[in-house]
Amino acid sequence: GAVVSQHPSWVICKSGTSVKIECRSLDFQATTMFWYRQFPKQSLMLMATSNEGSKATYEQGVEKDKFLINHASLTLSTLTVTSAHPEDSSFYICSARTGQGFYEQYFGPGTRLTVT
Amino acid sequence: GQNIDQPTEMTATEGAIVQINCTYQTSGFNGLFWYQQHAGEAPTFLSYNVLDGLEEKGRFSSFLSRSKGYSYLLLKELQMKDSASYLCAVMDSNYQLIWGAGTKLIIKP
Repeated sequence: GAVVSQHPSWVICKSGTSVKIECRSLDFQATTMFWYRQFPKQSLMLMATSNEGSKATYEQGVEKDKFLINHASLTLSTLTVTSAHPEDSSFYICSARTGQGFYEQYFGPGTRLTVT
Repeated sequence: GQNIDQPTEMTATEGAIVQINCTYQTSGFNGLFWYQQHAGEAPTFLSYNVLDGLEEKGRFSSFLSRSKGYSYLLLKELQMKDSASYLCAVMDSNYQLIWGAGTKLIIKP
């Protein structure tokens, strides 16, 4: 149980375009979803936390107008990278939490974004 | 500020035992997690400690001392597939995960 999927697994886009990444909890309802970014050989960096039906809470230094997060339902959250630039190329990972138990986060497989 | 420290890289031999340490200073404590992350993949959950002591799960064990702000992950009977990064994360008083930079474990035959 507790499977999280992400789509797409990898994407290449041109500079200036927008890219949408989907994160779905397949067999549970996720009260909270998290979006992380990870650059090569670095640890996870939390970008934002989103609760279903409310606005996402962004971490300091993360531009909310550039990284649009929508948590439309208890099983789906989307991250849209608007006007992407090469420096946005990274590994984007979502995770979901059920709100029960010991607050374990279940991670999606990640999306590799390359902006050319 | 909040801080999680763990070694950047460790090397061990197949079949041996390795201990990866993690020290932390956070605003509040609601548990400590260890995750394994293979290159190019998302992290996978290994263990959770919220009380002092040792939690054993097969070849992997995790220890916590809250008074010392210290944890370790012990891997026994190392296999080549254990080559990965091991991430220590502490859940703070806001139930937010604070992540360490990860320890890259290299297993040699």
